Amino acid sequence: DAKTTQPNSMESNEEEPVHLPCNHSTISGTDYIHWYRQLPSQGPEYVIHGLTSNVNNRMASLAIAEDRKSSTLILHRATLRDAAVYYCILSYPSGTYKYIFGTGTRLKVLA
Amino acid sequence: KAGVTQTPRYLIKTRGQQVTLSCSPISGHRSVSWYQQTPGQGLQFLFEYFSETQRNKGNFPGRFSGRQFSNSRSEMNVSTLELGDSALYLCASSPTGEGYNEQFFGPGTRLTVL
Repeated sequence: DAKTTQPNSMESNEEEPVHLPCNHSTISGTDYIHWYRQLPSQGPEYVIHGLTSNVNNRMASLAIAEDRKSSTLILHRATLRDAAVYYCILSYPSGTYKYIFGTGTRLKVLA
Repeated sequence: KAGVTQTPRYLIKTRGQQVTLSCSPISGHRSVSWYQQTPGQGLQFLFEYFSETQRNKGNFPGRFSGRQFSNSRSEMNVSTLELGDSALYLCASSPTGEGYNEQFFGPGTRLTVL
C-alpha cells in the first residue's frame, strides 16, 4: 500500500499563507492525491484532490510535483478556524477503494 | 442535502459484549466506508461496501464485520468486545467509490469499552 509522509506539526500566523507538504514517493500512476482535514471533535472534511495538475478551489490550492512524488497543500490566508489535523491521502484505483491515512500534520494558527 | 448520519453518537459497553453501529449515507451515494480512529493508531480503514457488496477490507480481526442494505445504509458489528476496541468509529460515503470521488464523513460513534 502506498504511504504518505507529513510533518507532525506546523505553525502559522493568522492571515498568512501556509504550505503543508506531503511526500508520497511510492505513488502509482493512477492514484489520486486527496487532502482532508479534521477539526476537533469532528469527522474528517474534504479539502481538495488532484491527479497530475495543480488544482484550486475555494478552500485551498494543491500543487503537485511533476514526478508526483510529493504535493503541497496551500492555504492562502490562514484563519483560526483552519487549525486542524491535515491528512494527505492516496486513493486507489476504481474497485479497490480505500484510504490509507497517515499521521497527518497538526496545524496551529497563531492570532 | 442531509449529510452522513451515524447512530448512536455515544456508546458504552463492557468487555465480551457485542455492538452494532449504523450509518446512513448521503442520498444517492452507493459507497460506504468505515474507519476506526484511536489516539495510538490514528485513522485506520475497516472496510468499504458498494451496492451491498464488501469490496475491500482492512487488517482487522474477524470480530469486525459489516453489511450494507439495498438503500445503501450500512451497519458494522463488533463481537466479543475488547478494551482496545474503544475508539471513534467513522463512516464515510461517496457517490460511486471511484478514486476521484471525495468522501463525506459522518460525526462518528464514540465507543467506550469498560
